[in-house]
Amino acid sequence: GNSVTQMEGPVTLSEEAFLTINCTYTATGYPSLFWYVQYPGEGLQLLLKATKADDKGSNKGFEATYRKETTSFHLEKGSVQVSDSAVYFCEVYQGGSEKLVFGKGTKLTVNP
Amino acid sequence: DAGVIQSPRHEVTEMGQEVTLRCKPISGHNSLFWYRQTMMRGLELLIYFNNNVPIDDSGMPEDRFSAKMPNASFSTLKIQPSEPRDSAVYFCASTKTAMGELFFGEGSRLTVL
Repeated sequence: GNSVTQMEGPVTLSEEAFLTINCTYTATGYPSLFWYVQYPGEGLQLLLKATKADDKGSNKGFEATYRKETTSFHLEKGSVQVSDSAVYFCEVYQGGSEKLVFGKGTKLTVNP
Repeated sequence: DAGVIQSPRHEVTEMGQEVTLRCKPISGHNSLFWYRQTMMRGLELLIYFNNNVPIDDSGMPEDRFSAKMPNASFSTLKIQPSEPRDSAVYFCASTKTAMGELFFGEGSRLTVL
């Protein structure tokens, strides 16, 4: 079945540092890929998505590119802020079979 | 448009008591998910409904847990009897079939003493 392997946390960075959170997946065909963010005390909310190979999703300075050849969807941000401190989840969605799988989440702490 | 609405936001109860968590999905969404989140186990899928029918309940921990969806606008997750190890944040999420993106509620934080 489908699976998602997400970078283990926690990740601690200083403000303005570069961020990468790795996400790789196994799935048949062409799944859709998502990143969610969960701020303390809140539910998960969609951060960005990509629905086909080579698509780049972007939002709030975050980016991720759908790499079919490496089955990856790594999350990046060039300069993190304290307000980016949260838990980040990668999701793989297989339409048709309605299979939806989340990664285990990566906690990011950004220090001033 | 209103998002996914969960109640109660916080519940503190004693071991052995019945707990009922409620969820109102976004209007027009036909898939509903219940998740449990703890520090130790992360985000776990408990059950998934499509068009009010339970499709996958393999994540429901045991017979103490039950979930219903009597209509398209309401779902409940019941724990009877509750135990301290059930303490967690329970999330409800909804979506449309083939959409892939989930819309989460703010969660119900359950503490069982």
